[in-house]
Amino acid sequence: DIQMTQSPSTLSASVGDRVTITCRASQTVSSWLAWYQQKPGKAPKLLISKASSLESGVPSRFSGSGSGTEFTLTISSLQPDDFATYYCQQYNSYSWTFGQGTKVEIK
Amino acid sequence: QLQLQESGPGLVKPSETLSLTCTVSGGSISSSSYYWGWIRQPPGKGLDWIGNVYYSGSTYYYYNPSLKSRVTISVDTSKNQFSLKLSSVTAADTAVYYCARHVAHFDYWGQGTLVTVSS
Repeated sequence: DIQMTQSPSTLSASVGDRVTITCRASQTVSSWLAWYQQKPGKAPKLLISKASSLESGVPSRFSGSGSGTEFTLTISSLQPDDFATYYCQQYNSYSWTFGQGTKVEIK
Repeated sequence: QLQLQESGPGLVKPSETLSLTCTVSGGSISSSSYYWGWIRQPPGKGLDWIGNVYYSGSTYYYYNPSLKSRVTISVDTSKNQFSLKLSSVTAADTAVYYCARHVAHFDYWGQGTLVTVSS
């Protein structure tokens, strides 16, 4: 099974900060990597698919990059609505795995 | 607009079988190219893919190896539903259970239903 490791686990930041979250896969997943945002009591929301494709309606301050085993999610200017937990997720050979999550907190 | 809705008991006794159903509206579960899956999230923890079904004439099932021995997923195309059964549950199976549509990524999710395993 492919393991996904996110860092950091928790991130404290202020409105307007540039924020970067890293996701590493235990083996290559090509570009089959997605990012989700989850708020308390809600289902996850898809932000980015195929490593860097922004979903319709997602603000352009979110961006994704990477391929193979290392990926990043960047929020260019953190907004109050962005305080949430973020998960990466890989697909490979009929198996789907999520990272453990990164909680973005108010500093 | 595609919508998914989980339903089933919110409380299950240890050693019994957890059963949930996901009803899909606004689209057909028989449409090709999509998987219909289950994901769970223990309280305060991360997301765990359980398994899925792919239907396009023939039916294909894929399960998380860590749960495979206890999981059965089925599909009822006449009702536009798919279901999850998880046997021999313990307190560790207490979680919010989500159903979702996906291919490589999960694009439509149900709201989730909390299932508590307790006597």
